Amino acid sequence: GENVEQHPSTLSVQEGDSAVIKCTYSDSASNYFPWYKQELGKRPQLIIDIRSNVGEKKDQRIAVTLNKTAKHFSLHITETQPEDSAVYFCAASTPSNTGKLIFGQGTTLQVKP
Amino acid sequence: GAGVSQSPSNKVTEKGKDVELRCDPISGHTALYWYRQRLGQGLEFLIYFQGNSAPDKSGLPSDRFSAERTGESVSTLTIQRTQQEDSAVYLCASSFTGSGANVLTFGAGSRLTVL
Repeated sequence: GENVEQHPSTLSVQEGDSAVIKCTYSDSASNYFPWYKQELGKRPQLIIDIRSNVGEKKDQRIAVTLNKTAKHFSLHITETQPEDSAVYFCAASTPSNTGKLIFGQGTTLQVKP
Repeated sequence: GAGVSQSPSNKVTEKGKDVELRCDPISGHTALYWYRQRLGQGLEFLIYFQGNSAPDKSGLPSDRFSAERTGESVSTLTIQRTQQEDSAVYLCASSFTGSGANVLTFGAGSRLTVL
């Protein structure tokens, strides 16, 4: 089955700097790659997603890139702010009838003011 | 309801007891997931229901864990003979099927503590 690896497990940046989180997946049939943000004590929420027919997607300060050949995708956050501090999870799913989402282990991002 | 509802929000039980956790998905969402999140850890897939298809139980860690779903509504996750390692937050999520269908809406979770 699908396996998603996420790095780094923790990331600390200064406010205003950029942050990059990387994920790799094992199933070449996977075609949907979302990113979820989980603030302390809260439920995970979708922040951005990308499908395998595009290589990059942007939404204000966040962007996701996808390299299907290498089977990896990355989250980029620019001009980081303290409120970006949270745990970020990547995930992948296949186009089978299950559409099952498998998550990475998570990255704890700390943005220092 | 407007969101995914889970109950109980907190459950403290003694080792060896059975527990039931309930999830009420968003109306119209045909897909329902259960994930386990141990303290400071990631989202561990447990089980997935999609419409009338057979559930994907590949993530259930042992035969002490089971889940049921009534049609496209409420789901119950049952843990029998609980062990201390079962202590975690159990998250339920639901989604539509079709294009853009994999956007999950999570519930607030059920925090299980096994003493």
